[in-house]
Amino acid sequence: GNSVTQMEGPVTLSEEAFLTINCTYTATGYPSLFWYVQYPGEGLQLLLKATKADDKGSNKGFEATYRKETTSFHLEKGSVQVSDSAVYFCALSDRGNTGKLIFGQGTTLQVKP
Amino acid sequence: DTAVSQTPKYLVTQMGNDKSIKCEQNLGHDTMYWYKQDSKKFLKIMFSYNNKELIINETVPNRFSPKSPDKAHLNLHINSLELGDSAVYFCASSQRRTDQETQYFGPGTRLLVL
Repeated sequence: GNSVTQMEGPVTLSEEAFLTINCTYTATGYPSLFWYVQYPGEGLQLLLKATKADDKGSNKGFEATYRKETTSFHLEKGSVQVSDSAVYFCALSDRGNTGKLIFGQGTTLQVKP
Repeated sequence: DTAVSQTPKYLVTQMGNDKSIKCEQNLGHDTMYWYKQDSKKFLKIMFSYNNKELIINETVPNRFSPKSPDKAHLNLHINSLELGDSAVYFCASSQRRTDQETQYFGPGTRLLVL
C-alpha cells in the first residue's frame, strides 16, 4: 500500500542554519505530494505541494521537488528562523481514488536563537 | 473568515459518555474528512464524505459514527468513550478530482477522556 517515511526528529538548528527534512514515499500511480506544518497548539497548514514529477513547490522560503526517480520530496530552507519551530508533515494523496492523505510520522523542528 | 471550523476546540469528558464534534466548511468543497492525531502526533484518516456519500471508512470502531447533513457539514459522534479515544481530531475539506484537490484543515478538537 501507499506510505510515507520522514526522517526522525527532533531536529534542532540554530537560527539562519540550512534545513533539510527528508521524505520518501511508496505509491502506485502518480500521487500528489504535500508538506503541511503544525505550529504548537494549532491545526495543520498547507506549506507547499507538487502534483507531478519534477514540479517544485515553494512557499515562505521553503522548497521541495517531486523526484519520481528517487521517490522523494525533501523539504529545504536556506535560512531558518525561530518562528519556523513546528512539526512538519510530508503527505501524499491518492488523487483520483479516495483522495485521502497518507502522512509521514512528522518531524519536529526546533530553531534556537 | 474561517474556512474550516470545528466545535468544540476542547472536550474533556468521562469514560462511557457519548459526545459529538461538529465541522463546517465555507469553501464550497464537495468532500470532507475526519483525521485522528494520536499522542505521538501520527495522523490517520478515519472517514470521508463526498457529496454526502460515505467514501472512506477506515478500520474504526463502530462507536464512531460520522454524519453529513449537507456538503458543508460533517459531524462525528462517539459513543461509550474510552481512554484510548483521547486524541486530537481534525476535520478537512477538498474539491475532489480537480487540480485544487488540496485539503484544508480545521483547528482541531482536543478530546481528553478521563
